[in-house]
Amino acid sequence: GDSVTQMEGPVTLSEEAFLTINCTYTATGYPSLFWYVQYPGEGLQLLLKATKADDKGSNKGFEATYRKETTSFHLEKGSVQVSDSAVYFCALEGSYNTDKLIFGTGTRLQVFP
Amino acid sequence: NAGVTQTPKFQVLKTGQSMTLQCAQDMNHEYMSWYRQDPGMGLRLIHYSVGAGITDQGEVPNGYNVSRSTTEDFPLRLLSAAPSQTSVYFCASSSGTGGGYQETQYFGPGTRLLVL
Repeated sequence: GDSVTQMEGPVTLSEEAFLTINCTYTATGYPSLFWYVQYPGEGLQLLLKATKADDKGSNKGFEATYRKETTSFHLEKGSVQVSDSAVYFCALEGSYNTDKLIFGTGTRLQVFP
Repeated sequence: NAGVTQTPKFQVLKTGQSMTLQCAQDMNHEYMSWYRQDPGMGLRLIHYSVGAGITDQGEVPNGYNVSRSTTEDFPLRLLSAAPSQTSVYFCASSSGTGGGYQETQYFGPGTRLLVL
């Protein structure tokens, strides 16, 4: 079945460092891909999404490109801030006409001043 | 708009007790779902609904019941709580209708459940 694999955390960075969180997926057809973020004590919020191959999703300085050839959707940010500290979830929505999300295990990011 | 609301925020149960986790949304969304979040396992889908009167099972439905009598509400029932149901529960909603239109899902703040 469909699945999502994320790099394990925590990822610890200094402020203004470059961030990459790896995400790869296994799916039949052409899934849509998402990054959700969970700040401490809160629910998940959509960060960005891409619905077809080569699409780039972007929001708040974060970017991710849907790479079908490598089945990847890595999250990047050029300069992280302390306020970016959170747990990041990669997710996919299957292509067979459902709204169900399949999540990765999450990656905790800690940014220090 | 309040968005997606969940009550209670925290609950402690004894094994065998029953309870209902409440979820409500005021966005007139057709699609609602329940997830549980466990360390190292991400979020897993328990049950979902594509509209009032329609529910279906997700990945981990055992031990949970749902019903959807109105568009706004989607309660999750634990009939006989077990320690394995200790988790954080999230409700989500979207304007999707189960047709895979990639509509954004909006999550509630979560209910933390401890079963002793």
